[in-house]
Amino acid sequence: ETGVTQSPTHLIKTRGQQVTLRCSSQSGHNTVSWYQQALGQGPQFIFQYYREEENGRGNFPPRFSGLQFPNYSSELNVNALELDDSALYLCASSWGQVRDYGYTFGSGTRLTVV
Amino acid sequence: EDKVVQSPLSLVVHEGDTVTLNCSYEVTNFRSLLWYKQEKKAPTFLFMLTSSGIEKKSGRLSSILDKKELFSILNITATQTGDSAVYLCAAVNSGNTPLVFGKGTRLSVIA
Repeated sequence: ETGVTQSPTHLIKTRGQQVTLRCSSQSGHNTVSWYQQALGQGPQFIFQYYREEENGRGNFPPRFSGLQFPNYSSELNVNALELDDSALYLCASSWGQVRDYGYTFGSGTRLTVV
Repeated sequence: EDKVVQSPLSLVVHEGDTVTLNCSYEVTNFRSLLWYKQEKKAPTFLFMLTSSGIEKKSGRLSSILDKKELFSILNITATQTGDSAVYLCAAVNSGNTPLVFGKGTRLSVIA
């Protein structure tokens, strides 16, 4: 059973709308990352937060933004949704640097933009 | 640009077969390679490989890293239908950077 929980599990939005996805990290984990996984593709890195500060960002436009809270939970916000934003959004948490401890993934939020 | 390439992209085998999944990488300041199994949504961790030539095993699964030739393999022996999943390979470098994933190998095990 995964210690990382994401909500909602499924979401349908209309093009141009805004969406907020939520993630509760595994207990004790202070690093959270978000990934976008399109159908048939591997996860693509969006950004990472460590102790409430963004410390890495992938090749995604500014309309993808995030937050990490003092309890290390996190949000991913996407503005001006486009059809290509339809994907599985995965949150992953770790303690410290991922290179040493790896990630624990949540079950994801399936976003459909119509 | 860092990249990870997995092959084959899909594979269909019969129960009891042995399979080998491949992962090659080009990553600046490479540190570790990770394997994940993704059945429906959440990728679940299988192995983290940092040292070359040291095999890691977990039941019927095993994996090894070759840092000279920049690849890793994941072996599954005596496959079962429950092994059907997408297997993801990801690399991480020595900086504080995220995982770079391959596209995955979709394994289907039929009875």
